[in-house]
Amino acid sequence: GQNIDQPTEMTATEGAIVQINCTYQTSGFNGLFWYQQHAGEAPTFLSYNVLDGLEEKGRFSSFLSRSKGYSYLLLKELQMKDSASYLCAVMDSNYQLIWGAGTKLIIKP
Amino acid sequence: GAVVSQHPSWVICKSGTSVKIECRSLDFQATTMFWYRQFPKQSLMLMATSNEGSKATYEQGVEKDKFLINHASLTLSTLTVTSAHPEDSSFYICSARATSDIDEQYFGPGTRLTVT
Repeated sequence: GQNIDQPTEMTATEGAIVQINCTYQTSGFNGLFWYQQHAGEAPTFLSYNVLDGLEEKGRFSSFLSRSKGYSYLLLKELQMKDSASYLCAVMDSNYQLIWGAGTKLIIKP
Repeated sequence: GAVVSQHPSWVICKSGTSVKIECRSLDFQATTMFWYRQFPKQSLMLMATSNEGSKATYEQGVEKDKFLINHASLTLSTLTVTSAHPEDSSFYICSARATSDIDEQYFGPGTRLTVT
C-alpha cells in the first residue's frame, strides 16, 4: 500500500531552526510537495521536489532523496506565524497526491 | 498565480437536507478537479477525482449517491452532499489541476459544513 509518515507534533523556539522529516512508500513517484496549513484554512503550497537534492526558498528549504524515500522541510529563523501544520504529499504514478497526516509545529517565544 | 475559489466558505444545514458546494478555477482551465475531506487534526482524504465532461472517480468507501459530483465545464465542479447527516460535518476542500501543468494542484479555500 501507499504510506507517508511524518511526526505528529514538534515544538521549537522562535528564531531557531526546525527540520520536519517525511518518509514515503508510494506506487510511482512524480514529485513531493510540502504544504503549510493553518487551522481552519486550506493548505498553501511551500515547495516541490522531483529531483534529489536541496531546494531553497527564503527561510524554507526542502530536501529529497528518492532512493531513500525521504524528504525534509527545513525552517530557519522561526517566527510565531510559522505555527501551523506542515503536510507532506507525494504525487504517485497516476498524478494523484498521497497525503501524510501532517506535522503540527508549535513555536514558543 | 492560479486561483481557485469555493462557495460557500461555510454553511450550516439541517439533517436531511442537501448542500451544494461550488469549486471554480478563476484564471485557468482545469481538466481535473479533486474533492477532499478533512476531519479535525487529520490528513486530507481524497473523496473523488472529476474530469471535465465525464463521470467522477470515487475513492473506496465514498458513497457516490451521497456525494454527487458534477464537472460540467473546465472552470467549475460542484459537490452536492445529499441527505446530510451530522457525521457529514467536515471541512471540504477542492483542488484543480491546470490542463497545461499536471504537476501542480491549486487549492480552494475550503468549505466548512456543519449539519445540525
